[in-house]
Amino acid sequence: AQSVTQPDIHITVSEGASLELRCNYSYGATPYLFWYVQSPGQGLQLLLKYFSGDTLVQGIKGFEAEFKRSQSSFNLRKPSVHWSDAAEYFCAVGANNAGNMLTFGGGTRLMVKP
Amino acid sequence: EPEVTQTPSHQVTQMGQEVILRCVPISNHLYFYWYRQILGQKVEFLVSFYNNEISEKSEIFDDQFSVERPDGSNFTLKIRSTKLEDSAMYFCASSEEGIRGERNTIYFGEGSWLTVV
Repeated sequence: AQSVTQPDIHITVSEGASLELRCNYSYGATPYLFWYVQSPGQGLQLLLKYFSGDTLVQGIKGFEAEFKRSQSSFNLRKPSVHWSDAAEYFCAVGANNAGNMLTFGGGTRLMVKP
Repeated sequence: EPEVTQTPSHQVTQMGQEVILRCVPISNHLYFYWYRQILGQKVEFLVSFYNNEISEKSEIFDDQFSVERPDGSNFTLKIRSTKLEDSAMYFCASSEEGIRGERNTIYFGEGSWLTVV
């Protein structure tokens, strides 16, 4: 079965600083990879996804992520964080042999210092 | 932008009572899902539904749970006899295609927070 690890439970960055949130997955073949963001009291909003092709994917709100097969990673990046980016971020993976379900990581809570 | 809508946003129920959580998926979507998130824990898959039947379910989705698409727009999750450990945020979701399709993005609703007392 596939699994997803987000090693950082909490991250604090200063506004304007760059951000990288880590995501590692365990799966034998090419996965389908997603990043979702959850603001307090809100649902899960898709930031970006990797389906196939270019391993660097662009998403909404200035986020990007890079699929690195050799490292089984799909890290999320943003060059300059805004205070409104404070939220919880979830990495999720789907797989051909797991039906249509997504397996989620434990999430990383991002705090932004002024 | 189309969205998945869920009702109620919050429900408090007594242990042993039946609960129905309701969802209206995005209109042209064919795949429907329920996930849950116990406070402080991961988002967990419960069940997926396609072509008017369950296509996958997790170990969590036992006989106490059922899903239904009673008409062309609603998708419901029923918990027959709630337990304290069923307290969680329940997310409904939908997608246009399955995981292998390019339009495989799963769109989530804002959740229904269930508190069992």
